[in-house]
Amino acid sequence: GAGVSQSPRYKVTKRGQDVALRCDPISGHVSLYWYRQALGQGPEFLTYFNYEAQQDKSGLPNDRFSAERPEGSISTLTIQRTEQRDSAMYRCASSLVMGLRPDSPLHFGNGTRLTVT
Amino acid sequence: GNSVTQMEGPVTLSEEAFLTINCTYTATGYPSLFWYVQYPGEGLQLLLKATKADDKGSNKGFEATYRKETTSFHLEKGSVQVSDSAVYFCALSDGGGATNKLIFGTGTLLAVQP
Repeated sequence: GAGVSQSPRYKVTKRGQDVALRCDPISGHVSLYWYRQALGQGPEFLTYFNYEAQQDKSGLPNDRFSAERPEGSISTLTIQRTEQRDSAMYRCASSLVMGLRPDSPLHFGNGTRLTVT
Repeated sequence: GNSVTQMEGPVTLSEEAFLTINCTYTATGYPSLFWYVQYPGEGLQLLLKATKADDKGSNKGFEATYRKETTSFHLEKGSVQVSDSAVYFCALSDGGGATNKLIFGTGTLLAVQP
């Protein structure tokens, strides 16, 4: 596609429910990143993949959060037993090559706004 | 750890005014520095970048110079337009070291009035 696509655009869920957020990166992009952005804050790193391999999940807040990219393309971020503090914008980004190289910038999607009531 | 500090907004300017958004960083090693822009309802877009000391990144009339001695990467534009209204994020990466991720500042909202 033309850009990074995320779905749904908005998600409202009740506390305790599980949610799955989808990211479809730019075709052919090797690396895929998940970020979380609270209102009025900058994006905060959660995890990233090179192809299907999860390289770094140090930013995942706790074990309710998980991510996968089984075929090295589409990725799903899953939050189990959601809590109100999970409410935020979840952003996905992809890059053409592995690692963060200035000549291969991150391309961000428009994000999924998650609201936990 | 590595971090980025940006001036708080909102910054409100009249069209054609001069813009400066301050950004300072703390990092080990030699990070690359970036400015990203987020227009209303859109994702973040790379605005400009610099990879080493004294490099100047520029794009769309915006400029920022990588100053190692002051650990700064301030964003400037000589004459802003209404269409520049957006949130601007300063960010750094360690250029391929162990962390391999972008660290963002909190963002600065710019509002340009006609």
